[in-house]
Amino acid sequence: AQSVTQLDSQVPVFEEAPVELRCNYSSSVSVYLFWYVQYPNQGLQLLLKYLSGSTLVKGINGFEAEFNKSQTSFHLRKPSVHISDTAEYFCAVTDYNTDKLIFGTGTRLQVFP
Amino acid sequence: DAGVIQSPRHEVTEMGQEVTLRCKPISGHNSLFWYRQTMMRGLELLIYFNNNVPIDDSGMPEDRFSAKMPNASFSTLKIQPSEPRDSAVYFCASGWTGGVEPQHFGDGTRLSIL
Repeated sequence: AQSVTQLDSQVPVFEEAPVELRCNYSSSVSVYLFWYVQYPNQGLQLLLKYLSGSTLVKGINGFEAEFNKSQTSFHLRKPSVHISDTAEYFCAVTDYNTDKLIFGTGTRLQVFP
Repeated sequence: DAGVIQSPRHEVTEMGQEVTLRCKPISGHNSLFWYRQTMMRGLELLIYFNNNVPIDDSGMPEDRFSAKMPNASFSTLKIQPSEPRDSAVYFCASGWTGGVEPQHFGDGTRLSIL
């Protein structure tokens, strides 16, 4: 069975500072990995995805993530955050055998001025 | 393109009443998912459909919950009778089978059972 662990429930950071949101997964097969963002009172919006190929994936809003198979990680990074990046971020995993996404518990990113 | 459309956006009702949540998936998508989000339990998958057929309903909490997808452009999630512990935000998402296509989420229905 697949699972996703987001190690930090909350990450406070000052504006223009770099940030990393951590995600680890477990699976017995090759996986597809996703990061979603949820702004207040909205649904989840795709930030980026890893399907295959280059392990460094670039997404919207200046975010990127790196797939590390040996460490079973898919950490999300941004070199300089803005106030508008304040939101909940979810890591998710699936594979070619299923359409189900397994979500982590989310990380609340709070950006302070 | 229109995204996933959910209605109503907010619903407040008294316990014991029937609640029906509606979802219109993105045209052309053949998978549809219903999720529930609460502070305590996070994001839970309730049920999903492929080509209008329920594939996995193991997340449906109990018999009070039911979901239907009569055609490719419409789905409902019904709670009867409703209870205060059903209060949550319910999301509908649609996508393609195969896992490669990311799921697209609606803006959710915020349900409050008094």
